[in-house]
Amino acid sequence: DADVTQTPRNRITKTGKRIMLECSQTKGHDRMYWYRQDPGLGLRLIYYSFDVKDINKGEISDGYSVSRQAQAKFSLSLESAIPNQTALYFCATSDNRDAAGYGYTFGSGTRLTVV
Amino acid sequence: SQELEQSPQSLIVQEGKNLTINCTSSKTLYGLYWYKQKYGEGLIFLMMLQKGGEEKSHEKITAKLDEKKQQSSLHITASQPSHAGIYLCGAVKGAQKLVFGQGTRLTINP
Repeated sequence: DADVTQTPRNRITKTGKRIMLECSQTKGHDRMYWYRQDPGLGLRLIYYSFDVKDINKGEISDGYSVSRQAQAKFSLSLESAIPNQTALYFCATSDNRDAAGYGYTFGSGTRLTVV
Repeated sequence: SQELEQSPQSLIVQEGKNLTINCTSSKTLYGLYWYKQKYGEGLIFLMMLQKGGEEKSHEKITAKLDEKKQQSSLHITASQPSHAGIYLCGAVKGAQKLVFGQGTRLTINP
């Protein structure tokens, strides 16, 4: 099993629908992140959480919400999807003792298309 | 403008040739990560550089960090088709949040 699992892998949804992307991890990391990737823009941070009770907005949080259900689970919701939220979404985790230099662990991504 | 600028944004090289990708920061770099992404897939950690002048290698990929220039370079020697993908640099920005460059798309022609 992958260390960071994202579901679904692909999703097509209609404008105005609510959709949830899920992320679960077996790394035992406290820190979890949601990024979106658009061509030519790299990855941009949507939300991040340093523990179950800690949720923070990233640089592009408008139109999104998150829930940290447990240390291992971090879900991203689009309350009312719009076409410009079509993107590749990544969940990532990190250890708060990152001095080891292993960086973040990323899931395989969820490709979301809003039509 | 992006805090991390990568150049070039796209690169096509003949198999066997060497290539370099640069990542320049608008702010002081305290640590820099390099990731590789196969098209449409997740990110694979390549290496992290923490100290000015530091150089690390992984197989045929070498990365250096020039703190004074606020820049890192990724060099691939004798490129192979398996090197194709998108290379992303990332830097830690306060409270351990990674910010990324826009990525460099590398194509290897046989």
